[in-house]
Amino acid sequence: GAVVSQHPSWVICKSGTSVKIECRSLDFQATTMFWYRQFPKQSLMLMATSNEGSKATYEQGVEKDKFLINHASLTLSTLTVTSAHPEDSSFYICSASTTSGYNEQFFGPGTRLTVL
Amino acid sequence: AQTVTQSQPEMSVQEAETVTLSCTYDTSESDYYLFWYKQPPSRQMILVIRQEAYKQQNATENRFSVNFQKAAKSFSLKISDSQLGDAAMYFCAYRPGPDTASKLTFGTGTRLQVTL
Repeated sequence: GAVVSQHPSWVICKSGTSVKIECRSLDFQATTMFWYRQFPKQSLMLMATSNEGSKATYEQGVEKDKFLINHASLTLSTLTVTSAHPEDSSFYICSASTTSGYNEQFFGPGTRLTVL
Repeated sequence: AQTVTQSQPEMSVQEAETVTLSCTYDTSESDYYLFWYKQPPSRQMILVIRQEAYKQQNATENRFSVNFQKAAKSFSLKISDSQLGDAAMYFCAYRPGPDTASKLTFGTGTRLQVTL
């Protein structure tokens, strides 16, 4: 299967600062990327869907000014958590899909964000 | 809106035994895909098995098989000859249609313990 990486795997930041998380498809072109949030012992909650070169589509209740998503190329999407607060602490997972060859989403290993 | 329900928060199975995880879903679509994902302690999401709704034959992948009952909107996962490495969270997921850009809807998950 295809490989998706995320960087960093774990980040700790101070309240009020911004944090950027990268999601890369390593061996395929990701026409669509998805960002999820997962709280401990809970399911994945979709935050937004992004297509290369287009604005992201956010799920209801997700603040687009708080969680900035950029999908500038077919192999890279970034999630920036702006003015992070302790309640933003969570596990963030990206996934990527392509229109050619594969019939599934491929998930990154996730990023643990801790806001102090 | 589509919903996915996993009614078993936790399950336990002895090594080498068989266990079945339940999943029901609600949709008005006729064409859709169903998935089982495994999330081990590393939190990397791993695709276990996929079922296309238009296929009557139940999908199988080695020790993993599904019982897909379209009329009942039921999609259970059977793990045979359970191994210690099968211990993980298992999520059932739904995707409308073949478009990989469509979002996945996840169930709340079932935590599987495997005992000696």
